[in-house]
Amino acid sequence: KAGVTQTPRYLIKTRGQQVTLSCSPISGHRSVSWYQQTPGQGLQFLFEYFSETQRNKGNFPGRFSGRQFSNSRSEMNVSTLELGDSALYLCASSLVLGVDTQYFGPGTRLTVL
Amino acid sequence: KNEVEQSPQNLTAQEGEFITINCSYSVGISALHWLQQHPGGGIVSLFMLSSGKKKHGRLIATINIQEKHSSLHITASHPRDSAVYICAATNAGGTSYGKLTFGQGTILTVHP
Repeated sequence: KAGVTQTPRYLIKTRGQQVTLSCSPISGHRSVSWYQQTPGQGLQFLFEYFSETQRNKGNFPGRFSGRQFSNSRSEMNVSTLELGDSALYLCASSLVLGVDTQYFGPGTRLTVL
Repeated sequence: KNEVEQSPQNLTAQEGEFITINCSYSVGISALHWLQQHPGGGIVSLFMLSSGKKKHGRLIATINIQEKHSSLHITASHPRDSAVYICAATNAGGTSYGKLTFGQGTILTVHP
């Protein structure tokens, strides 16, 4: 069974632009979570989707948004990019919502110049 | 104070040593996860536990719900165990049910 895939793997943007990242979960997994990892803040929860509905949201500004499609694939969008948005963005999938083992993708490395 | 605290932040060991990484949490949790991240690599889930103890190969994870504390042990450590180990708590209830809160990570280096 294929693992969690994320595209693109690397991305360079400039301040003010917007970006869309994609995540394909393991087949059969219906829950997708997104995380931001930076050297200063470590791993932080962004949001979680299950059955096309956002079930949980972390403490991030409204510039960060996401969605999930009927095939469980998910996208996250960051508008009006800031230098501080430079980070590794990870998604993880699990079978069910809540207490379940999470399977992480390789991440998308976003650099904002 | 972070909701999930790990210690130590950095750990250096010689090959073969027994290693312990600790994790304390202040939130109500439904599960505690131990994750491993190699340099430049993705994150792998090692354990998810809500009570007692789990073992996989040379790795052992324990949790004490009353004391809100978990430990990850590595027996007979090897240089390939060098990685960042992260504990994460799954929030138990309310509007944050299922949300993962992460510790800051422990950087483990095992020398041959």
